[in-house]
Amino acid sequence: AQSVTQPDIHITVSEGASLELRCNYSYGATPYLFWYVQSPGQGLQLLLKYFSGDTLVQGIKGFEAEFKRSQSSFNLRKPSVHWSDAAEYFCAVSMNRDDKIIFGKGTRLHILP
Amino acid sequence: DSGVTQTPKHLITATGQRVTLRCSPRSGDLSVYWYQQSLDQGLQFLIQYYNGEERAKGNILERFSAQQFPDLHSELNLSSLELGDSALYFCASSATGTSVVEQYFGPGTRLTVT
Repeated sequence: AQSVTQPDIHITVSEGASLELRCNYSYGATPYLFWYVQSPGQGLQLLLKYFSGDTLVQGIKGFEAEFKRSQSSFNLRKPSVHWSDAAEYFCAVSMNRDDKIIFGKGTRLHILP
Repeated sequence: DSGVTQTPKHLITATGQRVTLRCSPRSGDLSVYWYQQSLDQGLQFLIQYYNGEERAKGNILERFSAQQFPDLHSELNLSSLELGDSALYFCASSATGTSVVEQYFGPGTRLTVT
């Protein structure tokens, strides 16, 4: 069965520093891949998604993610974080366009001033 | 604001009771998805409706049921509630029945079972 692993439960970075959140998936073929963000007290918002094509995907709020088939990874990056980026980030996968989306357990991002 | 509304925001009830959570999708969206978010299980897909019909089922307990009405709003019914049902319940909507298109999440209903 497909699964998503976000190895870091919490990450703390200083404002202005770069960020990388890790995501690994378990699935034989290339899945559909997503990153969602959940701000405190809010629902989830889609940051970016990868279906096929260019393995470097640009999203909203200055985020990008890179799909690496050889590592079964889809890591999220941002060159310079802002205090408003403090939130919980979820990586998610789907086996095909009609299948349910499986979410990782999430990584909570803390920003130091 | 995603355009998806959920009521109520908070719900406190006792074990054994039954509750109904309501979701109104974004204008024009035909699909509604229900998710449960808890500390131990994370975010779990429960069920999807598309234009009034059940489209996909996830880890939904038999004590739980849902429906989507002709005006496309949806209700999630939870019965014989147990302490372990305490969680944040999200509704999401999308324009089509395909799950990988962008889903727009509501703010959630926090259910506390005492």
